[in-house]
Amino acid sequence: QVQLQESGPGLVKPSETLSLTCTVSGGSVSSYYWSWIRQPPGKGLEWIGYMYHSGTIKYSPSLTSRVTISIDTSKNQFSLKLTSVTAADTAIYYCARGDHNYPLWGQGTLVTVSS
Amino acid sequence: DIQMTQSPSYLSASVRDSVTITCRASQTISSYLNWYQQKPGKAPNLLIYGASTLQSGVPSRFSGSGFGTDFTLTISSLQAEDFATYYCQQSYTTPHTFGQGTRLEIK
Repeated sequence: QVQLQESGPGLVKPSETLSLTCTVSGGSVSSYYWSWIRQPPGKGLEWIGYMYHSGTIKYSPSLTSRVTISIDTSKNQFSLKLTSVTAADTAIYYCARGDHNYPLWGQGTLVTVSS
Repeated sequence: DIQMTQSPSYLSASVRDSVTITCRASQTISSYLNWYQQKPGKAPNLLIYGASTLQSGVPSRFSGSGFGTDFTLTISSLQAEDFATYYCQQSYTTPHTFGQGTRLEIK
């Protein structure tokens, strides 16, 4: 079955760029929409954005100036980059499949922003 | 952004009870409403989409209803594994916003 796995640094310094990758196994990134959602520790869920392999992209307006989602079909992965991070960006970052609802999620990865 | 407000934020119930969680949107979202269950340390799990369609593999004791701005998630005959946090999410328009969550605990 299709599985998603996030990877990337668990610690990022303030003002630097957060970079995460989601590896898709058992399926192709050339189908479906692929999304990122985050959750500050102990808090609720925040939608970051989604992308389709053809290039359709939607970002949260609150993050659009700092966020980039991309797909690498050769590696069957999709990625998240968030620039100029602050402590407010500390969260568990989830990758997920879907554009309207999210039936498939990665396990999540905690990213802490701290010097 | 569309604001999603869940009530209650906290709910205490016993096994075999039935409970209802409500979710209200700040503007009409038709039936673009989804429900998730999240257990500690785990990713959310989609329970219901399109306000009332049960996701494959989800027990039939979970049900959803509503249209427009007001929605409900009902869990009939609670089981031990149902004690978790529940979130609603609108997918009518981006950004897809979530409710603040309802924590369901064992009484």
